[in-house]
Amino acid sequence: SQQGEEDPQALSIQEGENATMNCSYKTSINNLQWYRQNSGRGLVHLILIRSNEREKHSGRLRVTLDTSKKSSSLLITASRAADTASYFCATDMEYGNKLVFGAGTILRVKS
Amino acid sequence: DVKVTQSSRYLVKRTGEKVFLECVQDMDHENMFWYRQDPGLGLRLIYFSYDVKMKEKGDIPEGYSVSREKKERFSLILESASTNQTSMYLCASSLSRPGTDTQYFGPGTRLTVL
Repeated sequence: SQQGEEDPQALSIQEGENATMNCSYKTSINNLQWYRQNSGRGLVHLILIRSNEREKHSGRLRVTLDTSKKSSSLLITASRAADTASYFCATDMEYGNKLVFGAGTILRVKS
Repeated sequence: DVKVTQSSRYLVKRTGEKVFLECVQDMDHENMFWYRQDPGLGLRLIYFSYDVKMKEKGDIPEGYSVSREKKERFSLILESASTNQTSMYLCASSLSRPGTDTQYFGPGTRLTVL
């Protein structure tokens, strides 16, 4: 069964708008990661947030983590057409030794 | 930059064939992984390896085996390909324990079994 589940499944916005994607998970974690996948390609790591962190920034990306709600969000500000991709959250489990990926959010940025 | 390469981008095989998918990483990473990706299901872990000649089953190992004879190379083997193994296969590597480290992915192999 999946540990992380993204919401929404698909998102379509205009260039320049902000995009927010959410991830919920079921069990305690050490870390949560976000990855991007351009169509038909491999995944690229975006950001890792540890369980004792609440917010992290990287360029136009902002990730938050709420361990009490078992949820995370990824915000992409001032989106560009090149941000069109699928976005996945991935969690380890506190006593696990592997990453578990969600089904992803498909983001389309229209120019 | 870490580079993970996979032997083929697209592969078409017939039911019953033995299929080899090769993955090579150039950063001396200890850990390597094979996933399959299907629409609506995300990535599912097939097998992983923490060391040479060491392997562990992931969530969906049935119908697959792996080989890691050298640190940089991790092969996925479909002993007798079936149509339900048509999928995108992704290889990844990481330096340290997966939950605390970035995984670096190859470009993927889209396998079609006829």
